[in-house]
Amino acid sequence: DAGVIQSPRHEVTEMGQEVTLRCKPISGHNSLFWYRQTMMRGLELLIYFNNNVPIDDSGMPEDRFSAKMPNASFSTLKIQPSEPRDSAVYFCASSLALGAGGTDTQYFGPGTRLTVL
Amino acid sequence: LAKTTQPISMDSYEGQEVNITCSHNNIATNDYITWYQQFPSQGPRFIIQGYKTKVTNEVASLFIPADRKSSTLSLPRVSLSDTAVYYCLVGGDNQGGKLIFGQGTELSVKP
Repeated sequence: DAGVIQSPRHEVTEMGQEVTLRCKPISGHNSLFWYRQTMMRGLELLIYFNNNVPIDDSGMPEDRFSAKMPNASFSTLKIQPSEPRDSAVYFCASSLALGAGGTDTQYFGPGTRLTVL
Repeated sequence: LAKTTQPISMDSYEGQEVNITCSHNNIATNDYITWYQQFPSQGPRFIIQGYKTKVTNEVASLFIPADRKSSTLSLPRVSLSDTAVYYCLVGGDNQGGKLIFGQGTELSVKP
């Protein structure tokens, strides 16, 4: 398997523009997670889906952020309008939620480095 | 989700054994202890998970005392390529797979 795929790997945009980050989870995985990482705040969970349904979006910073998972093989994280403070590395991860005890291993993608000027 | 505390940074030399201890005083009965590793410019990667006593795999060992209020990740004979940030996480499937990453321990292995 190719692992979790994210695109683009790098994005540079100007303040006020719309940004869309994309993620393809590992085939067969039924949970998908979006994280944001910065030096100041570390790795933060933004939102996660189970069977394409958003379960917990309490980490989404504000209404400018939205995430969708239209099917089991694709998810997007959109920022509209973008601001300089959104600059960060955004990771997508997926897991096979077996619910058998413990926390299921999450497999992370390579990340998208976003720079908002 | 239980809060974890671990050292911010550690230094070691190639060939040494490294032990990173994590405190989790408020661990719940259903919680497991999981460690992830993150290399620069990469996403975190699962290393090991345990509930009690000792767990060992091809990468590391995890020691958990009886009270489970702490855990120690042991990396045998580290190499330069083990330089990374190591995260200790506590949680269970009752959180729906949710993981809360702390600040992690930045391990620097020197020649």
